[in-house]
Amino acid sequence: EAGVAQSPRYKIIEKRQSVAFWCNPISGHATLYWYQQILGQGPKLLIQFQNNGVVDDSQLPKDRFSAERLKGVDSTLKIQPAKLEDSAVYLCASSPRSSYNEQFFGPGTRLTVL
Amino acid sequence: GEDVEQSLFLSVREGDSSVINCTYTDSSSTYLYWYKQEPGAGLQLLTYIFSNMDMKQDQRLTVLLNKKDKHLSLRIADTQTGDSAIYFCALSRDYKLSFGAGTTVTVRA
Repeated sequence: EAGVAQSPRYKIIEKRQSVAFWCNPISGHATLYWYQQILGQGPKLLIQFQNNGVVDDSQLPKDRFSAERLKGVDSTLKIQPAKLEDSAVYLCASSPRSSYNEQFFGPGTRLTVL
Repeated sequence: GEDVEQSLFLSVREGDSSVINCTYTDSSSTYLYWYKQEPGAGLQLLTYIFSNMDMKQDQRLTVLLNKKDKHLSLRIADTQTGDSAIYFCALSRDYKLSFGAGTTVTVRA
């Protein structure tokens, strides 16, 4: 089965610019997650979707970050405007509804803000 | 919150066993996981353990859980060069994962 797809793989922007990331989860996975992984740290959950509804966005900086999953499949994460501290790898993961919650991760998008 | 701590680096000789340690503060997690991240790649689930278990073995991997001390470890037997990667300990609560900072394992010949 195809894995979690993300694009672009790399993005370089200047501060105050906008950027968007795209994720296509594994077919049939109802739950989708966006994580931010800053260099040298573990991934930190930004937002969790169940189908097209938001389950948890408590760690999402809502003044500049937004995410949507309109049809319950693909998702986009947007940053507007970007700050230097947003430089990180943005990981998308999806999960079937299982007892042990295995999450399948995409390769990530590496964002550099100059 | 679920604070999760790991040592940052581990160097091991090829063929030896590796032991990666993790400590945590929140004991209410249902499942505890070990993920592997290779350069430029996403995270790959290696193994997991249910919180009412003490040990789980899966081929070269052995997970030990000490709930009293809130300590989780991953032992990799016969470590190979392909095992060089960053290993993350993660805890699950309410279908959300909390990760440690990762342990970079370097396998030397």
